[in-house]
Amino acid sequence: AQKVTQAQTEISVVEKEDVTLDCVYETRDTTYYLFWYKQPPSGELVFLIRRNSFDEQNEISGRYSWNFQKSTSSFNFTITASQVVDSAVYFCALRRDNNNDMRFGAGTRLTVKP
Amino acid sequence: NAGVMQNPRHLVRRRGQEARLRCSPVKGHSHVYWYRQLPEEGLKFMVYLQKENIIDESGMPKERFSAEFPKEGPSILRIQQVVRGDSAAYFCASSSLGRRNTEAFFGQGTRLTVV
Repeated sequence: AQKVTQAQTEISVVEKEDVTLDCVYETRDTTYYLFWYKQPPSGELVFLIRRNSFDEQNEISGRYSWNFQKSTSSFNFTITASQVVDSAVYFCALRRDNNNDMRFGAGTRLTVKP
Repeated sequence: NAGVMQNPRHLVRRRGQEARLRCSPVKGHSHVYWYRQLPEEGLKFMVYLQKENIIDESGMPKERFSAEFPKEGPSILRIQQVVRGDSAAYFCASSSLGRRNTEAFFGQGTRLTVV
C-alpha cells in the first residue's frame, strides 16, 4: 500500500526560528518519487521539490533543505530562519513509478508569527 | 506553475444541478490530472488524461463524474446532479510528459460549494 503520513497537523513558530516538517511514507516499490508542495492562503499549490528514490543526496535551496532517508522512509523538510511569508500548508506526496496516482499526505499547517 | 488556469475559482451550485470545471494546462503540456481536496485533507487523485484520451480514472467516482480533454480547448471535469458531499476544492495539474518522475504544475483550484 502507498501511504504518506504527515504527523504534524499544525506547527507555530516565531519568525527566524528553524522548523522541520516531517514526512514518512510507505511503499513496497523500489522506484518511486517524492514531492513537496506549498499551499499558501491564496490556495494554489506551489511545487517545491522532487526527489527520486535512487537519489538520497540531500538538497538545499536557499532557506529550504530536504533530508531524504530511505532507511527510515522519511523525507523531511526544513525551513531555516523562517519568515511570515512561509506561513502555508505544506504537502508531502509520493508517486509510484508505474502509477499516475500521486498520493498526498494530509498536510502540515505552518504559521510563522512576527 | 502559474500557467495552469482553472475557472471558475469559486462555483456555487444547488443540489441536483450540474457543475462544470475547466482547466487550461500550461502551454505545450498534453497531460492533465484532476485532484479533489476535501476540507482539512490532502489531495486525492481522480483522473489522468492525455489529449482526447482518459488514461487512468481509478480515483473518480463511477457515477455522476466525468472528465474530458478534447483536442482543442480546456479539460473539463463535469459533476452531474451534485450533492453536498461534492463540496470541495478541485485542482488540475499538467505536465509535459506522462513519466512519473516529472513534476506536475497545479492550478489555483476551483472551490465548489453545493447548497
